Amino acid sequence: KAGVTQTPRYLIKTRGQQVTLSCSPISGHRSVSWYQQTPGQGLQFLFEYFSETQRNKGNFPGRFSGRQFSNSRSEMNVSTLELGDSALYLCASSWTGNYQETQYFGPGTRLLVL
Amino acid sequence: GENVEQHPSTLSVQEGDSAVIKCTYSDSASNYFPWYKQELGKRPQLIIDIRSNVGEKKDQRIAVTLNKTAKHFSLHITETQPEDSAVYFCAAPTTTSGTYKYIFGTGTRLKVLA
Repeated sequence: KAGVTQTPRYLIKTRGQQVTLSCSPISGHRSVSWYQQTPGQGLQFLFEYFSETQRNKGNFPGRFSGRQFSNSRSEMNVSTLELGDSALYLCASSWTGNYQETQYFGPGTRLLVL
Repeated sequence: GENVEQHPSTLSVQEGDSAVIKCTYSDSASNYFPWYKQELGKRPQLIIDIRSNVGEKKDQRIAVTLNKTAKHFSLHITETQPEDSAVYFCAAPTTTSGTYKYIFGTGTRLKVLA
C-alpha cells in the first residue's frame, strides 16, 4: 500500500504571497492532520480533516486554512506569508482519527519564505 | 493545560549501550502514546506505541513503559547501533475546548557513537 505523499516537496516564496500544499493519505484513510515543524517549536498541530470537514483546529492564525476533498486528499493554504512561516509542513493520515489510531506521516513540504 | 515534556533534548551513548528517553504528559485522559523516529531529512516514523491498559511493551531492542499514575512514559533502546542515531519524538492525545489533537514532545536527538 502506498504511503502518505505530499507535494511539492520544496517551495520558496516571498513575504506576502500565498501558498497551497497538497497531501494524499494512505488509501482508505479518511483523517488527515497537518503539522508545522520548526527547530524552535517542534511539531505543532494545525488542523485535522475528516470526511471533508475540519474536525479539530490548533492555535494558528486564520491565515492558515485547509480543505479536504471527497477522495480524502487534503490541501493546506497559507495566505500573506510571513518569514516565520518558514518550516517543514507535515501531514499525517489515519483511518478515522480516533484516540488510539496510529498516524502515518508524509515526507513533508519544506517552505522557505524570503 | 496541555503539555508534553520530553527529556533529555540530546543524548550521546556509546554503541552497545542503552538509551532512555522520558516524557511527561498533563492530560489524565490521554490513553495512547506513540513514539516516532525522525532521521535527518526524512518523515517521522512510528517505532512503537503503548495503550493505557498496559504498563510495558517490547519490540526487539525497543521498549516503552507507561506509568499512568505519574503521567509519564519512557522509551528504552538497548544495544544501540549507529543507525539508531536520529531525533525521537513522543506524543500524547489531548482534548482542550472540544479540540482533540496530539501534543508532541520537543524531541530528543540521539547520537550513537561507534
